[in-house]
Amino acid sequence: DGGITQSPKYLFRKEGQNVTLSCEQNLNHDAMYWYRQDPGQGLRLIYYSQIVNDFQKGDIAEGYSVSREKKESFPLTVTSAQKNPTAFYLCASSRQGDRAREAFFGQGTRLTVV
Amino acid sequence: AQKITQTQPGMFVQEKEAVTLDCTYDTSDQSYGLFWYKQPSSGEMIFLIYQGSYDEQNATEGRYSLNFQKARKSANLVISASQLGDSAMYFCAMREGGYGGSQGNLIFGKGTKLSVKP
Repeated sequence: DGGITQSPKYLFRKEGQNVTLSCEQNLNHDAMYWYRQDPGQGLRLIYYSQIVNDFQKGDIAEGYSVSREKKESFPLTVTSAQKNPTAFYLCASSRQGDRAREAFFGQGTRLTVV
Repeated sequence: AQKITQTQPGMFVQEKEAVTLDCTYDTSDQSYGLFWYKQPSSGEMIFLIYQGSYDEQNATEGRYSLNFQKARKSANLVISASQLGDSAMYFCAMREGGYGGSQGNLIFGKGTKLSVKP
């Protein structure tokens, strides 16, 4: 089955640690995205990538980093510089250059700072 | 500037009745797409329905229809014959026109929590 896989589902981080969230897709989509969701809030864009080896900052990129070495993979690192990392993180992908196509989402990773 | 506004933080509907979830948007683009997603308590985002800015007819997908009023910049979701499984968060989203660049990204509203009562 084609889809997007995020792992882990739950992640706990100590203060001052970096953690990496995995996102893999087998939909052959060019574009991939990372969103953050806080309780009672909508989704806010962290980073996006429209092609391998290229990515752009979204609205709330500070304290996060990404890489796009393969078309299928778009990992997100939450660095110690992120002041309030506890949130629900969603990865998505979509076809590029076609406005009508919806984004497909993974199941999400819930990150908690302990 | 906020581009997607959902003014109803929470809604209640009786099972088997219809419900309308409001969404207004702001864009200066002539070409854009509007989407509705459902997010159950498990967290995944489920695509429901799409409306293109040039589509003359309102989109429909099963029990979901989109009441698109372009002049008012509104794209309300109508769910007919509500079911208990419809209880979830519902998000309106917009993708502005243009290929590549930030205009391809989905911008989300803050959502409406729908509760269906038996």
